[in-house]
Amino acid sequence: AQSVTQLGSHVSVSEGALVLLRCNYSSSVPPYLFWYVQYPNQGLQLLLKYTTGATLVKGINGFEAEFKKSETSFHLTKPSAHMSDAAEYFCAVIDSGAGSYQLTFGKGTKLSVIP
Amino acid sequence: NAGVTQTPKFQVLKTGQSMTLQCAQDMNHEYMSWYRQDPGMGLRLIHYSVGAGITDQGEVPNGYNVSRSTTEDFPLRLLSAAPSQTSVYFCASSRTGVGGYTFGSGTRLTVV
Repeated sequence: AQSVTQLGSHVSVSEGALVLLRCNYSSSVPPYLFWYVQYPNQGLQLLLKYTTGATLVKGINGFEAEFKKSETSFHLTKPSAHMSDAAEYFCAVIDSGAGSYQLTFGKGTKLSVIP
Repeated sequence: NAGVTQTPKFQVLKTGQSMTLQCAQDMNHEYMSWYRQDPGMGLRLIHYSVGAGITDQGEVPNGYNVSRSTTEDFPLRLLSAAPSQTSVYFCASSRTGVGGYTFGSGTRLTVV
């Protein structure tokens, strides 16, 4: 069964600084990988996804993530943090070998942006 | 398109009561799922469906029941509410699964 580990339940960065949110997964088969963002009292919104092809994927709001198979990682980055990036971020995986195509989530990382 | 619509947005139940959380999508998506979100736990899968008439259990199914009689609707039933079911519940849908899921805005449930 697949699992997702997000390092750091809470990350603080200064406005304009690099955002780096870490995600490692375990899966016995090639995974499909996702990052979602959740603003307070809202549902989850898809930021970006990796299914096949290019390992560096770009998403909305200037975020990107790189799939590194050798490190079983899918870290989320943004070159310059904005105040509006303050939210909770979830990494998720779908096991490509399971026909159910259901998401397994990490526990989330809350991002704070300091003015 | 309304996307994924969940009702109600808030609900308070007494222990032992039953209720149904509604979820509807207008995107003709085959895959639908129910999650619960608890602080520090991320989202955990309760039940899911890969098409009308087909449902299966997720990670935390106990105390919940689902059915999928139409493509559009996927209600979640709490059979006898317990305080441990106090949570925020999210419904999600997807055309293919791997393309990503669209989430509803959630139902905040408190069981007293």
